Amino acid sequence: DSGVTQTPKHLITATGQRVTLRCSPRSGDLSVYWYQQSLDQGLQFLIQYYNGEERAKGNILERFSAQQFPDLHSELNLSSLELGDSALYFCASSGRGSGNTQYFGPGTRLTVL
Amino acid sequence: EDQVTQSPEALRLQEGESSSLNCSYTVSGLRGLFWYRQDPGKGPEFLFTLYSAGEEKEKERLKATLTKKESFLHITAPKPEDSATYLCAVQDNYGQNFVFGPGTRLSVLP
Repeated sequence: DSGVTQTPKHLITATGQRVTLRCSPRSGDLSVYWYQQSLDQGLQFLIQYYNGEERAKGNILERFSAQQFPDLHSELNLSSLELGDSALYFCASSGRGSGNTQYFGPGTRLTVL
Repeated sequence: EDQVTQSPEALRLQEGESSSLNCSYTVSGLRGLFWYRQDPGKGPEFLFTLYSAGEEKEKERLKATLTKKESFLHITAPKPEDSATYLCAVQDNYGQNFVFGPGTRLSVLP
């Protein structure tokens, strides 16, 4: 158990809809990262937050947004969903003496029908 | 732009048959190289962090090594429970995010 939690585990929705994925980092970690993993693309970095502020952006679509709250949990919002957004979404956190190492949560499997 | 490649794409071993997985990288200033193990449908599980050429880390049947251009994950006398996808990632000195390789899918047959 990495100490990173994600909810929900599974999400099934329709095209055009909007969903919110939630992540709680390890206790004391200030950085949260979001990744997308689809069958044909591997793990793709989306965005990083550090102590509530956006720190780095990867290949995140404009339809996607994220935020980190004062209690350090983070949410990833996906809107105007398309079939191609179906993937596993992982959250990772780092800090608290772990250096640069990122610890991953169990993921949310999103299926868009 | 940072790049990571891994080989082979897939590897089948008999139980007890040792082998090595390769991770080749191109990065403008390596901050760290990371190995993870991922089981199907699960989150990546941290294995090792390597920071400089010549560094080695060991854990049970796994040993990771690092040179200036590549890293190897050596698996000694593997068991079926070592079957998983092994991912390599690099972090450069300029950013916080990781760049992951595509992974090596390892199957260890009893």
